[in-house]
Amino acid sequence: GEDVEQSLFLSVREGDSSVINCTYTDSSSTYLYWYKQEPGAGLQLLTYIFSNMDMKQDQRLTVLLNKKDKHLSLRIADTQTGDSAIYFCAIDTGRRALTFGSGTRLQVQP
Amino acid sequence: GAGVSQSPSNKVTEKGKDVELRCDPISGHTALYWYRQSLGQGLEFLIYFQGNSAPDKSGLPSDRFSAERTGGSVSTLTIQRTQQEDSAVYLCASRSGLAGEVVGNNEQFFGPGTRLTVL
Repeated sequence: GEDVEQSLFLSVREGDSSVINCTYTDSSSTYLYWYKQEPGAGLQLLTYIFSNMDMKQDQRLTVLLNKKDKHLSLRIADTQTGDSAIYFCAIDTGRRALTFGSGTRLQVQP
Repeated sequence: GAGVSQSPSNKVTEKGKDVELRCDPISGHTALYWYRQSLGQGLEFLIYFQGNSAPDKSGLPSDRFSAERTGGSVSTLTIQRTQQEDSAVYLCASRSGLAGEVVGNNEQFFGPGTRLTVL
């Protein structure tokens, strides 16, 4: 079956870079997503990468995909207090619903 | 345009009661998903509707859970004889495109969720 794992917690200082990691087991992934969930809010798509890419950059966000190791990461440059949230990676294998990791809580200290 | 909406936003019920949760997807979206997010956990897939096809119910945790989608639009998730372990946030998402069809980045758009508390 599909399995997606993330570390539970990350704390950084404002202005530093944050790197959130995700590993998965299903090699038939098509799209891989990063969602952001702020307190009391729904999930917001932050960025995504297609499985035939190894990197995607979008302003302060950089997504790296290592298909061989089944490893996905999200780097947030110049992390701000507004980036404090829970970040979920999600894998789309094209079969049905997304498979989500358990989420990484990012805490940004001023 | 309007996004995915869900109602109620919060529901408190007593153990043993039935509850209905509603989802209004984005107009024109053919795919609709229900997920459950328990405290401190990731999202757990429950059920998936795609157009007029039979729904994928493989994620429903027990036969107390059921869902329907009327007219290919609004969906209702029903939990019968609620238990305390059913307490969670229930999230609905919709997506454009037919089964197997890739539209854009295949994004699923999520509603704000219904927080269910079973006392």
